Amino acid sequence: QKEVEQDPGPLSVPEGAIVSLNCTYSNSAFQYFMWYRQYSRKGPELLMYTYSSGNKEDGRFTAQVDKSSKYISLFIRDSQPSDSATYLCATYSGGYQKVTFGTGTKLQVIP
Amino acid sequence: NAGVMQNPRHLVRRRGQEARLRCSPMKGHSHVYWYRQLPEEGLKFMVYLQKENIIDESGMPKERFSAEFPKEGPSILRIQQVVRGDSAAYFCASSPSKGGVWPQHFGDGTRLSIL
Repeated sequence: QKEVEQDPGPLSVPEGAIVSLNCTYSNSAFQYFMWYRQYSRKGPELLMYTYSSGNKEDGRFTAQVDKSSKYISLFIRDSQPSDSATYLCATYSGGYQKVTFGTGTKLQVIP
Repeated sequence: NAGVMQNPRHLVRRRGQEARLRCSPMKGHSHVYWYRQLPEEGLKFMVYLQKENIIDESGMPKERFSAEFPKEGPSILRIQQVVRGDSAAYFCASSPSKGGVWPQHFGDGTRLSIL
């Protein structure tokens, strides 16, 4: 079993839709949870970063962590064509432990 | 550009040749990480280095692959006697000296193609 599972998609939505992206993880030691956005032929770009359970909002983006069910979510409101990219969830336990990434979900927002 | 710089952006090698990938971390960052990304797969951790030290190489293949981060100059990921299966995008990330392995900032990668 992979430490972090993520549906690869692709996910196709109309412009203005609410997008829900999800990951599950297996290691209960994971404490820090991140979402990256990766455009084609580019490096991952940090979007959201949360510690432990709860919600964090930044503009149109909301990250949600439920440690009891080991479930990570990213919501995108009022989706735009410029949001079309691959979204990677990532997590680590803290200190100098390595970061583990999901495989990424490819999102396409259609104008 | 104060970001993580990787070069070359594209590298083509024939089977059996050596590939050298370079990474200059962000200014003030002393931790460097190398990841490999295969098509339709996520980022796979390879190695974590600080200046002149390898901290964690648990993701590195045991043979043909090596990495260094010298006191002066960029970090180098070296692949000897490349094979077709080494074709991938290789990303470098860096983080500040404090706070453990976070936050990590990524370069735009080197795309290695093996003929």
